[in-house]
This record gives sequence, C-alpha cells and structure tokens, in this order.
Amino acid sequence: QLQLQESGPGLVKPSETLSLTCTVSGGSISSSIYYWDWIRQPPGKGLEWIASIYYTAYTYNNPSLKSRVTISVDTSKNQFSLKLSSVTAADTAVYYCARRHYYDSINAFDIWGQGTMVTVSS
Amino acid sequence: DIQMTQSPSSLSASVGDRVNITCRASQTVSRYLNWYQQKPGKAPMLLIYTASSLQSGVPSRFSGSGSGTDFTLTISNLQPEDFAIYYCQHSHSAPRSITFGFGQGTRLEIK
Repeated sequence: QLQLQESGPGLVKPSETLSLTCTVSGGSISSSIYYWDWIRQPPGKGLEWIASIYYTAYTYNNPSLKSRVTISVDTSKNQFSLKLSSVTAADTAVYYCARRHYYDSINAFDIWGQGTMVTVSS
Repeated sequence: DIQMTQSPSSLSASVGDRVNITCRASQTVSRYLNWYQQKPGKAPMLLIYTASSLQSGVPSRFSGSGSGTDFTLTISNLQPEDFAIYYCQHSHSAPRSITFGFGQGTRLEIK
C-alpha cells in the first residue's frame, strides 16, 4: 500500500523559506501515470493547489504562487520537495503532499499524506 | 481562472437521508470534476473522479453526475461516518500548463 509522509519544520519566520519533503513508501515515485503534488489548507479554510512534479522533473505551478515556489524530485530517495520563499502569515497552513492520477486526464488526487502544519511567525 | 461554487455551504441531514451537493463551474470543465470527503484533522479522501466514477473502496451510496458546468454529488442512505466536509475539484489544461481548483466546501452536519 503506497503511503506519503510529509516532513519539515513546523515553524518558519516571516520572509524566510519554507521547506518540506514528501517521502513515498510502498511504491515507486518513477511511475508513468502519476504526478506528485503539494496542496495546502489554511486553518478553517479550503484547499489550494500549489505545485506538481513528474518523476522526470517536469513541473507545473499555481500561477498565484509561481514566483515563490520551487518543487523538485529525488527519484533515488523516492522523495519530492517543496520550497516556498518569502513566506508571510498568509502561508500558515496544513501542507499536504498527494499523488495525482493523470492518465486519461483524470487528474484526481487519489492518495494523500497526513499533512503537516506549518506556522509562519517570528 | 475557473471558479468553482458549491451549494449549499452547509447542510443538516439525518441518518438514512439522501442528500445532494452541487458544484458549478464558471466555465465548462467537461467531465474533469472530482469529489473529496474530509473529516476533522484528516486529509481529504477521493470519492468520485471524472464526475461519476466511484473510487475503489468507496461505498456505493456515493454517486456523482453532471458534465460541462453543473455537477452533483449524491449520498444515499446517510451513515454516521458520512458527516464531513465535501469538496469538488476541477482541472484545467492549456498548452504547457495545467491548474487545479477546489470548491469552497460543503459541511454536512447531523440533524
């Protein structure tokens, strides 16, 4: 059973860079029919898609965050990572990593990590 | 950007009821519309993909319909474990880009 697990600091100072890693276990990140995505959810609010990466390192970013987001993949470690620069309190959220089934344009997030809370505060 | 609007924002129902949650897109998304269930403190769970296909392991009391701009999630014979927040999600592809958006959520509460 494939599982995803987010890791990274739970507290980041304003203007600094938020860095998270998602470790994929029970399966390979180098699958031809999946992308790997980051999604966040501010406390008490809805879901926002952040970015997506294929195992070949092809990426898509949310245009509203594009200039601050870097997503990368390390197939040797079965991990993908997110960096979000110049954070503010508005970036405080639960950050989820998720697998996206994109074959045949389904584009559904079918497996999610448990989520990690990141607070931006000095 | 394509905007997704869910209605109602909240809904009270009883065990055994049948409920409908709708999602309207600001422009056509064809059948590329998915539904998720989220319980407190948990990650969302995929229920329905491409408007009407039931995700493996999801009870058959969940069903989806619609295409274009109007979609419906139906839950028949509500069970206690179904009280949660439900989100719709679309995907929009363009040359060399793709974006994803979620509805604002519908909170299903027990009456």
